[in-house]
Amino acid sequence: NAGVTQTPKFRILKIGQSMTLQCAQDMNHNYMYWYRQDPGMGLKLIYYSVGAGITDKGEVPNGYNVSRSTTEDFPLRLELAAPSQTSVYFCASSPTGGGSPLHFGNGTRLTVT
Amino acid sequence: DQQVKQNSPSLSVQEGRISILNCDYTNSMFDYFLWYKKYPAEGPTFLISISSIKDKNEDGRFTVFLNKSAKHLSLHIVPSQPGDSAVYFCAAPPYNQGGKLIFGQGTELSVKP
Repeated sequence: NAGVTQTPKFRILKIGQSMTLQCAQDMNHNYMYWYRQDPGMGLKLIYYSVGAGITDKGEVPNGYNVSRSTTEDFPLRLELAAPSQTSVYFCASSPTGGGSPLHFGNGTRLTVT
Repeated sequence: DQQVKQNSPSLSVQEGRISILNCDYTNSMFDYFLWYKKYPAEGPTFLISISSIKDKNEDGRFTVFLNKSAKHLSLHIVPSQPGDSAVYFCAAPPYNQGGKLIFGQGTELSVKP
């Protein structure tokens, strides 16, 4: 039982490039989330999903896209990377909503130069 | 609009003493709160939670206190150990919003031997 797995761990992108951050969970959780953490800041929600085929925007969705075709996977797509997207990205999952604890992956550290 | 605030970016305590981490919130509709602990290069992990119907919840060395009238909660760690050195986030789920959490900025705790 691996929990939440994120790949890659690190990535450097040039401005204008695109990439997909992968997230997979093996706990059969319905809810999945993408957060970003900037230095000295808390985690900000980018997108979330309450089940396969259903996604919704969080606090900071601009510049990102998501899809949820299966319960297990929730990839985050960055189009036209900008320096403001330099951050650490965390994927998380939970079995239900309503405040059930989130299980986080170990993050992807992204630098855009 | 920072609905969950941790105003102390850092805290240093001596091993064996009490650590008190504080968190304030502005939304009176929050009825459940969680604390997460984060080590470097890892994702946050759930530590302890409290429902608004309680004013205290205890789990081993960790106790969370909730003061609803002051919109304030605190996490007490007694006794503090060097392995407790980490960043601590408080978080709250907005009512009926798909299980997502709003996080504070985090407090970095350093426990010195």
